[in-house]
Amino acid sequence: GAVVSQHPSWVICKSGTSVKIECRSLDFQATTMFWYRQFPKQSLMLMATSNEGSKATYEQGVEKDKFLINHASLTLSTLTVTSAHPEDSSFYICSARDLQGADTQYFGPGTRLTVL
Amino acid sequence: AQTVTQSQPEMSVQEAETVTLSCTYDTSESDYYLFWYKQPPSRQMILVIRQEAYKQQNATENRFSVNFQKAAKSFSLKISDSQLGDAAMYFCAYRAGTYKYIFGTGTRLKVLA
Repeated sequence: GAVVSQHPSWVICKSGTSVKIECRSLDFQATTMFWYRQFPKQSLMLMATSNEGSKATYEQGVEKDKFLINHASLTLSTLTVTSAHPEDSSFYICSARDLQGADTQYFGPGTRLTVL
Repeated sequence: AQTVTQSQPEMSVQEAETVTLSCTYDTSESDYYLFWYKQPPSRQMILVIRQEAYKQQNATENRFSVNFQKAAKSFSLKISDSQLGDAAMYFCAYRAGTYKYIFGTGTRLKVLA
C-alpha cells in the first residue's frame, strides 16, 4: 500500500520555541493532506486540510497563526507549531489522499511533541 | 453536522473467537464512505476495511467484515478467528464529499490468550 512518512517521530522542545513537522507521501502524489491531533486515549481531531499550492483550511477552534501549514509540493506538507507551550504537547498525525488508489487516505506514523 | 459514535470504550475477546464492534453515525448525505481503522500501540493508523454507502453488499477483508445498515446508520465490524495481533484501538470513521474524516471515540480491543 501507499506509504506516508513523518519526521521527526518525536520531538522535545522548550516553551516558546517553534517546531516543524514534515509529512511526505513516498510513492504517490497527494494534492490534499490532512493534519490531526490526538490526545492520550482520545480520538483523532482534524486540525486542518492542506491543499497543494493554496492556503490550508483550518477547523473551527484551531489557531491558524499558531499552527502554520505549508503544502509546497505534491509530496510534502509541513506543520509548524509556533511559540509552543506545554498545552501543545500531543500526538500529531498527518494523512495524505491518494487520488490514484481508490481515493483512500493513508496515515503517517505520527509525531509525538512534548513541550517543556 | 455529521457525527460518529462508538458506544463500546473497551471490548474483550478470546483468541480464535468472534467479536463485533459497534459504530453508528449521523448524516444527511446520501453519498459517503465509512471506514474502520486499527491503531496498535505503535500509533500507526492502519486501514482495516472500507464501505461505500451506495453499495448494498457488505465489505469483507479476510477475517474482517462489516454489517452496514444504511437506514439505521449503523456500521459494525466483525472480527472472526481473533488473533493476538488484533489487539488495538479501533476507530470508525466517516467521510463525505469534503474528504474530511470524522472519527469515533474508539474501542479498545483486548484479545485474551
